[in-house]
Amino acid sequence: GAGVSQSPSNKVTEKGKDVELRCDPISGHTALYWYRQRLGQGLEFLIYFQGNSAPDKSGLPSDRFSAERTGESVSTLTIQRTQQEDSAVYLCASKLGSNQPQHFGDGTRLSIL
Amino acid sequence: RKEVEQDPGPFNVPEGATVAFNCTYSNSASQSFFWYRQDCRKEPKLLMSVYSSGNEDGRFTAQLNRASQYISLLIRDSKLSDSATYLCVVTSTGGGNKLTFGTGTQLKVEL
Repeated sequence: GAGVSQSPSNKVTEKGKDVELRCDPISGHTALYWYRQRLGQGLEFLIYFQGNSAPDKSGLPSDRFSAERTGESVSTLTIQRTQQEDSAVYLCASKLGSNQPQHFGDGTRLSIL
Repeated sequence: RKEVEQDPGPFNVPEGATVAFNCTYSNSASQSFFWYRQDCRKEPKLLMSVYSSGNEDGRFTAQLNRASQYISLLIRDSKLSDSATYLCVVTSTGGGNKLTFGTGTQLKVEL
């Protein structure tokens, strides 16, 4: 497809389980971002990938969160030992280059029971 | 002080009204500016970029004041379908060209 694709669209899991979220950026987009948005809150930056450079992990809230991206392709965000406070929509965005706008996926709605 | 600040609203306006949102940013090195629109429980979608000279797209006008470090969005002849949260977004080349989002201004257009 032409847009950013995220999967799954919804995920419900028990506290303590690990989850993996996937993002397929727009083809050719060198930059990829992960955000978290809790209900009624603004967007919270998590991590940023730019080409083969070291990612900017400054937004990851704890060491339970990690993300990977191979080259300029798919990225996965992993949350280990999930907590109820991790419940949120996780949004992925990609962009073509500097000073270009980001294009968002539909998000993964994560619910921790 | 937050990097990007917006009045959270809500702004409740009648259909056909003109409404303006302001946004201030703290990083003078900021390079690019955007307005995004976010509908309830949906992802943000780009509304328009903001250029130094100001720019217009139909009923929407965006302006940038670098000296005062604020950005504005004007919506004329508002429609019911304009009801959404409007996010001010700022980027700078430092720190990996990271985007910083405001928390958004909620607009409700009523009959």
